[in-house]
Amino acid sequence: DVKVTQSSRYLVKRTGEKVFLECVQDMDHENMFWYRQDPGLGLRLIYFSYDVKMKEKGDIPEGYSVSREKKERFSLILESASTNQTSMYLCASSLIGTGVVGELFFGEGSRLTVL
Amino acid sequence: QKEVEQNSGPLSVPEGAIASLNCTYSDRGSQSFFWYRQYSGKSPELIMFIYSNGDKEDGRFTAQLNKASQYVSLLIRDSQPSDSATYLCAANDYKLSFGAGTTVTVRA
Repeated sequence: DVKVTQSSRYLVKRTGEKVFLECVQDMDHENMFWYRQDPGLGLRLIYFSYDVKMKEKGDIPEGYSVSREKKERFSLILESASTNQTSMYLCASSLIGTGVVGELFFGEGSRLTVL
Repeated sequence: QKEVEQNSGPLSVPEGAIASLNCTYSDRGSQSFFWYRQYSGKSPELIMFIYSNGDKEDGRFTAQLNKASQYVSLLIRDSQPSDSATYLCAANDYKLSFGAGTTVTVRA
């Protein structure tokens, strides 16, 4: 089974802190994604990556950056956390070329609260 | 305009009835469409995908796609309490865009 592991299930941070959210997948997937999920807004794409050291902005990249130094790991960075970044963050991975393009495998989520 | 719109919920149906979920998308370049199910407190999981106009059936689930109308739907036949969840529609236009979701409650 595909496993996508997010390092922290729950985090509480203070405004202005730098926050790292880590995501690791064990199925050699090329694609990795970071979404945030808020009530009434669904899943919104922050950043995605189709290859190592490659990143593309999603729909709401402001205030975030990402790092993909290894194929299995995709990190989301909040340089200076703000209260409006309080949310559930979901990491996902998928294959390209084979399988069902668009079938995302999600991690369990990281619920971030910024005080 | 949001790229993917879903009919607002929540949707409450009696056990054994048909639940009908609707979704529209704005990008005509979208090639494939997906329905994810998300139980409360859990991550989304894929239940159906559809690429071609028409119907696609998988067990109690039927996805319908009409590209001319930019419309996707999901029917859940013989609804069960275990179908109570939020259903997310997604369109693949280079990146995957999700709707806000429709919450379904199946009453026993």
